[in-house]
Amino acid sequence: DAKTTQPPSMDCAEGRAANLPCNHSTISGNEYVYWYRQIHSQGPQYIIHGLKNNETNEMASLIITEDRKSSTLILPHATLRDTAVYYCIVRGGGTSYGKLTFGQGTILTVHP
Amino acid sequence: DTGVSQDPRHKITKRGQNVTFRCDPISEHNRLYWYRQTLGQGPEFLTYFQNEAQLEKSRLLSDRFSAERPKGSFSTLEIQRTEQGDSAMYLCASSLTGASSGNTIYFGEGSWLTVV
Repeated sequence: DAKTTQPPSMDCAEGRAANLPCNHSTISGNEYVYWYRQIHSQGPQYIIHGLKNNETNEMASLIITEDRKSSTLILPHATLRDTAVYYCIVRGGGTSYGKLTFGQGTILTVHP
Repeated sequence: DTGVSQDPRHKITKRGQNVTFRCDPISEHNRLYWYRQTLGQGPEFLTYFQNEAQLEKSRLLSDRFSAERPKGSFSTLEIQRTEQGDSAMYLCASSLTGASSGNTIYFGEGSWLTVV
């Protein structure tokens, strides 16, 4: 699976948009970009995923660059409950299809 | 069905004892995964099943660890002769299969193990 690079930490003011970047320069054509978050002591929570096109759901938007080498997760109106570790993961195919390889993630702190 | 269920949520055991964790996946999900997470680290893949077949095992899964999914529904993860280094959160997850990698993996809340 392609390796991802994320900043170790970010801050965001409550009510503002949180934009979390991720680099995945070695991504292959059939690999998806997934975002999960983990609030302290809980299991990872699925946020969103995409292949080529930008995606939006009730939680967030995912912007993938045209060359697919990077992406940005956008939380449009961050709340204090969005404080968590955010993981950007590239999910491969073939024999490794299925498993997710987590990195260190980005610790997002939303402050009042 | 509300999601992936794990039991127990917390377990404290003495070094050398055996422990078993149970995972009930989301209904109709034929893939089931086990991960381990230690403090300050991201989850690490241990193994996964498709139906009752164990298709992949990580090198992290030493011979003291065994996972089963006998009827292709719930799964158990047993740790024999526990060591203090086994203290971690054990996460179970499930998904459907498909022709692409676009089938989302959903995680349970985890089972915390403390070996004293």
